[in-house]
Amino acid sequence: SQKIEQNSEALNIQEGKTATLTCNYTNYSPAYLQWYRQDPGRGPVFLLLIRENEKEKRKERLKVTFDTTLKQSLFHITASQPADSATYLCAFSNSNSGYALNFGKGTSLLVTP
Amino acid sequence: DAGITQSPRHKVTETGTPVTLRCHQTENHRYMYWYRQDPGHGLRLIHYSYGVKDTDKGEVSDGYSVSRSKTEDFLLTLESATSSQTSVYFCAISEIMDGNSGNTIYFGEGSWLTVV
Repeated sequence: SQKIEQNSEALNIQEGKTATLTCNYTNYSPAYLQWYRQDPGRGPVFLLLIRENEKEKRKERLKVTFDTTLKQSLFHITASQPADSATYLCAFSNSNSGYALNFGKGTSLLVTP
Repeated sequence: DAGITQSPRHKVTETGTPVTLRCHQTENHRYMYWYRQDPGHGLRLIHYSYGVKDTDKGEVSDGYSVSRSKTEDFLLTLESATSSQTSVYFCAISEIMDGNSGNTIYFGEGSWLTVV
């Protein structure tokens, strides 16, 4: 079955450093991957989408890479701030389920001053 | 923010009672979804809809039914609630431009359901 895996351990980093989160997938070849942010008690919010023919995508301090050979996406937050503390989810779309997203379980990021 | 309203936001109910959660959207999006989110499991798809009266099952559909009589409303019903259905339920909407461009999914704020 299709699996999407994220590091379940929380990531603690110091303010100003770059946070790197990993998303691996198996038994699937998604045409694109998405990253979402979720704050406690809130619904996930879309951040970035990267297509399989794109190696890298940037948006302000965020950068996503997509390696279809390794079946892996990396999500980077540069110059991290305490406000970046949240859970980050990667997901890919399943055209067999009305384009619903299959989500990883998320990685919790804590940025300390 | 996408115009998605979930109701009720919080509910405590007894085992064996029926419960209906409502999702209302003002975006006129074709696709609507119900997910549940549990510690250790992440977000899992319960049911989805691809149009009025067009619905299908997701990964964890047992014990749930849905209905969509209008574009803007998607109802999730627990016919006879069980403690295992204690969870946070998220409604989401999407519009597919084309299958290759990707679709962004917008989530509601969630409904916290406790079955005692």
